[in-house]
Amino acid sequence: KAGVTQTPRYLIKTRGQQVTLSCSPISGHRSVSWYQQTPGQGLQFLFEYFSETQRNKGNFPGRFSGRQFSNSRSEMNVSTLELGDSALYLCASSLQPGQAYEQYFGPGTRLTVT
Amino acid sequence: QQQVKQSPQSLIVQKGGISIINCAYENTAFDYFPWYQQFPGKGPALLIAIRPDVSEKKEGRFTISFNKSAKQFSLHIMDSQPGDSATYFCAASRTGNTGKLIFGQGTTLQVKP
Repeated sequence: KAGVTQTPRYLIKTRGQQVTLSCSPISGHRSVSWYQQTPGQGLQFLFEYFSETQRNKGNFPGRFSGRQFSNSRSEMNVSTLELGDSALYLCASSLQPGQAYEQYFGPGTRLTVT
Repeated sequence: QQQVKQSPQSLIVQKGGISIINCAYENTAFDYFPWYQQFPGKGPALLIAIRPDVSEKKEGRFTISFNKSAKQFSLHIMDSQPGDSATYFCAASRTGNTGKLIFGQGTTLQVKP
């Protein structure tokens, strides 16, 4: 079974631009979560989607948004990029959200904002 | 109440030794505690996980010890190998209808040959 795939793997953007990152979960997995990883803040939860609905949202500004499609694929968007948005953005999938459903992470998208 | 505190920040162990990483949590509603291993350039990989109804879980050389009353859990890596050199994250989750994970800050483990 293929793992979680994320595209693109690397991105360089300029302050003020917007960016869209894509995540394809493991086949059969219907829940997708996004995390931001930085050296200073570590791994922080962004949001979680299941059945095309956002079920949970972390403490990030409204510039961060996401969505999930009917095939469980997910995208996240960051508008008006700031230097501090430079990070590794990780997507994780599980069968369903919640108890007993283990999450598996993709390799991440490395975003650099200049 | 949402924090998970992890220690040490870095750890150096000789090959064949035992690596021990500790985590403490505050929220007693957490009921799922996984450990992830991350190599440079890769996403975190699920290593082992435990629920608070058991005090220990072992998978190969990896063991989680869980102390519910102290709100602490730890990862023990027996017979540590250079290939175990990586960053380890503990996490906690209040399951039910969400899989949101709260992560510790990570421990960088170096196993010397």
